[in-house]
Amino acid sequence: GAVVSQHPSWVICKSGTSVKIECRSLDFQATTMFWYRQFPKQSLMLMATSNEGSKATYEQGVEKDKFLINHASLTLSTLTVTSAHPEDSSFYICSARGGYGMAPYEQYFGPGTRLTVT
Amino acid sequence: KQEVTQIPAALSVPEGENLVLNCSFTDSAIYNLQWFRQDPGKGLTSLLLIQSSQREQTSGRLNASLDKSSGRSTLYIAASQPGDSATYLCAAPYSGGGADGLTFGKGTHLIIQP
Repeated sequence: GAVVSQHPSWVICKSGTSVKIECRSLDFQATTMFWYRQFPKQSLMLMATSNEGSKATYEQGVEKDKFLINHASLTLSTLTVTSAHPEDSSFYICSARGGYGMAPYEQYFGPGTRLTVT
Repeated sequence: KQEVTQIPAALSVPEGENLVLNCSFTDSAIYNLQWFRQDPGKGLTSLLLIQSSQREQTSGRLNASLDKSSGRSTLYIAASQPGDSATYLCAAPYSGGGADGLTFGKGTHLIIQP
């Protein structure tokens, strides 16, 4: 149980285009999902917190107009990188916080999406 | 704001040794602490979650302890194997409590020599 999927697993796009990444909790409902970013040889950094039915909360330094987050259902959150540039190339990982009956506040991570902007 | 530090940054040992990886955090008002494993180019594998009410958790050859008062956690790996080679990440809640995202340490890059 507690499986989180991401799609796509990797994507290459041209500079200036937009890319959407999906994060799904497959066997549980997640009112809260998180988006992280990992640059090469660095650790994960929290980008934003996504709550179902409300606006995402972005961490300092993360442009909300560039990284659009939508959490329209209890099992799906999407991250859209708008007008992508090479410096946006990174590994994007989502997590979902478990709900009723699950370990309190444990986060379950997706497999990640590797974005390369050319 | 939570800060997480991991020591050592890298470790290379022959197989069979028992290992201790260290993690420290600045905000002790945490609800839990998680240890993860990350293989090169891959996502995270959750190893152990310790709730704040617990002192330790065990899974197979892994044992993680938590001391909130001192802001420390350790991951103990018994009888290490080459397959244990990976980066090990410690993560604590971002702003204390447990409701927020996780702050990750920079990890310990572990190599187990056959």
